[in-house]
Amino acid sequence: SAVISQKPSRDICQRGTSLTIQCQVDSQVTMMFWYRQQPGQSLTLIATANQGSEATYESGFVIDKFPISRPNLTFSTLTVSNMSPEDSSIYLCSVVSSREQFFGPGTRLTVL
Amino acid sequence: GNSVTQMEGPVTLSEEAFLTINCTYTATGYPSLFWYVQYPGEGLQLLLKATKADDKGSNKGFEATYRKETTSFHLEKGSVQVSDSAVYFCALSQIQGAQKLVFGQGTRLTINP
Repeated sequence: SAVISQKPSRDICQRGTSLTIQCQVDSQVTMMFWYRQQPGQSLTLIATANQGSEATYESGFVIDKFPISRPNLTFSTLTVSNMSPEDSSIYLCSVVSSREQFFGPGTRLTVL
Repeated sequence: GNSVTQMEGPVTLSEEAFLTINCTYTATGYPSLFWYVQYPGEGLQLLLKATKADDKGSNKGFEATYRKETTSFHLEKGSVQVSDSAVYFCALSQIQGAQKLVFGQGTRLTINP
């Protein structure tokens, strides 16, 4: 299994600012994923973060808005840039370990 | 593209009732299918999975059978408990190893004593 922590757990931000979310895993993993869960909706994959290469973004998500870093095999960051109220969501990171996907507790972001 | 459709919620049942949460999917080939659960105040966790047609996943009294002919993966439990109150997500993955999950919209389940 994999234990994942995220920081911050929640934040309230002003529009136009940026927030960086950290994801830490207790073991080395090849692939990490970032998901978004908008209020009352399901989870949507934002991007796949591989160590040593550029993140791969899903349709509708771009690097300028959601830059991702993956400096090593246990850590990743997702930045939500130039925020607007529509970015208010829960952001979750996940990893695959032993063919199972494990999720972090999420970061609840509110943009005013 | 791939998609997952779950029955609309919220669902409210009495303790010891029978539970079914419907899930159907659209995908090419043979995806792996999952049920995830999100208990209040906790993170998302895998409840059960099935990786090929006719497989039955089971855990904590919950079961789901991979039905390729009906493209379904309905979640069932014979006798629910108050502690089963949570949000349940059906999901699929086209890629081996549970990567790049596509989720349904989630079903909020409340069990009353």
